[in-house]
Amino acid sequence: DAGVIQSPRHEVTEMGQEVTLRCKPISGHDYLFWYRQTMMRGLELLIYFNNNVPIDDSGMPEDRFSAKMPNASFSTLKIQPSEPRDSAVYFCASSLGTSGGLSYNEQFFGPGTRLTVL
Amino acid sequence: QKEVEQNSGPLSVPEGAIASLNCTYSDRGSQSFFWYRQYSGKSPELIMSIYSNGDKEDGRFTAQLNKASQYVSLLIRDSQPSDSATYLCALQTLGRLYFGRGTQLTVWP
Repeated sequence: DAGVIQSPRHEVTEMGQEVTLRCKPISGHDYLFWYRQTMMRGLELLIYFNNNVPIDDSGMPEDRFSAKMPNASFSTLKIQPSEPRDSAVYFCASSLGTSGGLSYNEQFFGPGTRLTVL
Repeated sequence: QKEVEQNSGPLSVPEGAIASLNCTYSDRGSQSFFWYRQYSGKSPELIMSIYSNGDKEDGRFTAQLNKASQYVSLLIRDSQPSDSATYLCALQTLGRLYFGRGTQLTVWP
């Protein structure tokens, strides 16, 4: 099975533009996570979904950030308007959750999207 | 606040030596612990998970967990230059992971 798929891999945009990052989780995984990684702050959880429902969005920096998961195989993270301080690598990860009465909490990461906002 | 503390390093060891990576955490309620390896410019890759006190071995890797001391470690035996990477410790509480800042490991030939 393919791993977590993210697109685009690189995005360069100008301040004020809308940016949309996309993620396809591993098939059958019930949890999807969006992370941001910078040298200054390390790896930060932005939001996560369980069965397409947002569970915890406390890490979303501000109203400029929004995330959706319209179905089990697709999620988007949108930044509007973008700012230079949003420049980072954005990772999507997924985990199986519960199966057969057991919990499988291991998260598997996609390759990331490197975002540069000029 | 779920604190996960790691020495940032860099930790430098010669090829063939044992590399020891340490992590402490603040939340006594955490049940699951993970070690991820991240090569420069790549995404984190899960290498070990541990859920109960004691040691768990997988090839050259051994994870150790001591919940009473709130301490988790990763030992890498017979270290190879290909092990040079940043190692992230993570704990899981209520469905989400909390990551440390990572320890940079360099294995020199």
